[in-house]
Amino acid sequence: DTGVSQDPRHKITKRGQNVTFRCDPISEHNRLYWYRQTLGQGPEFLTYFQNEAQLEKSRLLSDRFSAERPKGSFSTLEIQRTEQGDSAMYLCASSPNNEQFFGPGTRLTVL
Amino acid sequence: QKEVEQNSGPLSVPEGAIASLNCTYSDRGSQSFFWYRQYSGKSPELIMFIYSNGDKEDGRFTAQLNKASQYVSLLIRDSQPSDSATYLCAVNQDYGQNFVFGPGTRLSVLP
Repeated sequence: DTGVSQDPRHKITKRGQNVTFRCDPISEHNRLYWYRQTLGQGPEFLTYFQNEAQLEKSRLLSDRFSAERPKGSFSTLEIQRTEQGDSAMYLCASSPNNEQFFGPGTRLTVL
Repeated sequence: QKEVEQNSGPLSVPEGAIASLNCTYSDRGSQSFFWYRQYSGKSPELIMFIYSNGDKEDGRFTAQLNKASQYVSLLIRDSQPSDSATYLCAVNQDYGQNFVFGPGTRLSVLP
């Protein structure tokens, strides 16, 4: 399968814990995006990488969130000191140009 | 704050009919417009996209842009029960950076 992959697919954690998610994009895609989606809403933009450079980060994103793409390939999204409001589906998408291809997502539940 | 709005639905159409989905956007500088389909519990998949210079037809799907009124529409001809899903509209100003998604419209095609 040469699509976008995300790991883990599900994560349950207790409030206050740190979590890290991984995204492996389609190999030739230089653009990578992270989104958060809650029930009944569209994906909400979190951050964008072109190769290893993080070019944009949502102003809505608190400093508890950080993302990296160290070698311009896979990316990680870390949430520190999780809160119940962080419960959502975290989606990664990669793109060669303007078309985004989404991974299956990581569903986070914060208890 | 850039906004994209959609009627949440559900929009119900009989099998074989034309389904018409609409989306309005607030940023007059928007350059590209995307329609995604999202089945329940799955991640979004791209149906088609258009740039600010014209409409596009692809099989049973047609995307149309009205720049003056700032709305985008998606027409689905010969609707099938398998088209039942949430349709997300997304708008991009910067050719690859910040995509803004609407909340989606639920479409139900009745056999």
